[in-house]
Amino acid sequence: DTGVSQDPRHKITKRGQNVTFRCDPISEHNRLYWYRQTLGQGPEFLTYFQNEAQLEKSRLLSDRFSAERPKGSFSTLEIQRTEQGDSAMYLCASSPFTGQGRVDEQFFGPGTRLTVL
Amino acid sequence: QKEVEQNSGPLSVPEGAIASLNCTYSDRGSQSFFWYRQYSGKSPELIMSIYSNGDKEDGRFTAQLNKASQYVSLLIRDSQPSDSATYLCAVSAGANNLFFGTGTRLTVIP
Repeated sequence: DTGVSQDPRHKITKRGQNVTFRCDPISEHNRLYWYRQTLGQGPEFLTYFQNEAQLEKSRLLSDRFSAERPKGSFSTLEIQRTEQGDSAMYLCASSPFTGQGRVDEQFFGPGTRLTVL
Repeated sequence: QKEVEQNSGPLSVPEGAIASLNCTYSDRGSQSFFWYRQYSGKSPELIMSIYSNGDKEDGRFTAQLNKASQYVSLLIRDSQPSDSATYLCAVSAGANNLFFGTGTRLTVIP
């Protein structure tokens, strides 16, 4: 399978705990995105990387959230001191970079469903 | 005003009919437009991308873009029960990311 993969698929944690999610993009894609989706809503952009550089972060991304892509391949998203409001599906997407000054097609992984008790 | 607006539905069509899904957006500078399909409990799956005014066809799907009216639509011909899902419209925000609508829930009745 050469699609985007995410791990874990499900995570249940207690409020105040830290959690970390991993995303492995499609191998030839150098752009990687993180989104959050809650029930009845579309995905909301959190942050994106081009290779190892984090180029944009949403205002939605509080200081408790941090993302890395150290070698320009896989990425991790960490949430510190989780709150019940963090419960959501966390989606990773990757895309090629065609350099045409536009947003290219993004392909999503299966997501990590986080439940904060 | 939301960046991307879609009728939440539900939209019900009989099997074999044409389903028409619509989306409007607020940023006149948007250059990239996408339709995703999302089954309940699953992640979004890319169906179509469109970058220029006019129609783009792929199998049973046709995307239509009118930048002057800030409107993008998706037509599904010969609708099948397996097309029952939520359809998300996504529009570029600058050159780097996407705004998504809340989706339109489509039900195809056998």
